[in-house]
Amino acid sequence: GAGVSQSPSNKVTEKGKDVELRCDPISGHTALYWYRQSLGQGLEFLIYFQGNSAPDKSGLPSDRFSAERTGGSVSTLTIQRTQQEDSAVYLCASNNYRAKFFGPGTRLTVL
Amino acid sequence: ELKVEQNPLFLSMQEGKNYTIYCNYSTTSDRLYWYRQDPGKSLESLFVLLSNGAVKQEGRLMASLDTKARLSTLHITAAVHDLSATYFCAGLNNNAGNMLTFGGGTRLMVKP
Repeated sequence: GAGVSQSPSNKVTEKGKDVELRCDPISGHTALYWYRQSLGQGLEFLIYFQGNSAPDKSGLPSDRFSAERTGGSVSTLTIQRTQQEDSAVYLCASNNYRAKFFGPGTRLTVL
Repeated sequence: ELKVEQNPLFLSMQEGKNYTIYCNYSTTSDRLYWYRQDPGKSLESLFVLLSNGAVKQEGRLMASLDTKARLSTLHITAAVHDLSATYFCAGLNNNAGNMLTFGGGTRLMVKP
């Protein structure tokens, strides 16, 4: 398919463990975003990559959160020492001029 | 800082009725997006509104944009059960690296 893909679709982890979430954007899209959506809430911006520019990390909630984008394509969101409040659906999106396209999300549950 | 507010947050309606979801935003936004989200699913792009007075329609949904009033509306005509979902509007924040700012969402339930 030609859409944004994310893996894993579901992740259950124990408090204090590190997790990595992966995003494959649509080929050719230079912009990539990470958002999270807590249960029953709207979307919260986390981080934005645009081409080779320095990422906009202004939405990351703490220094336990980091993200990389290798080769201008695949991105990995890493959460270190996970806490229960990190439980949410993590959505990745990439965009062309007209619209953002979202991936299916990774549902993270921290026990 | 761009802020986006939607109302109502929850809407329960009967099939066949019309209703409007409102999206207000606080500062200039070049583009206004509407998305649909089904439970447990990701966001589906519905409309992108680019300019003042823009109106787009697809099926029973029609979106409009008034940049002077900083208001976008999503109008539902003769609702059907399949339209039940959560609808989000989002404004493009040009001063924040092309970031989207989302409203809180409107959860729509259409009773058959």
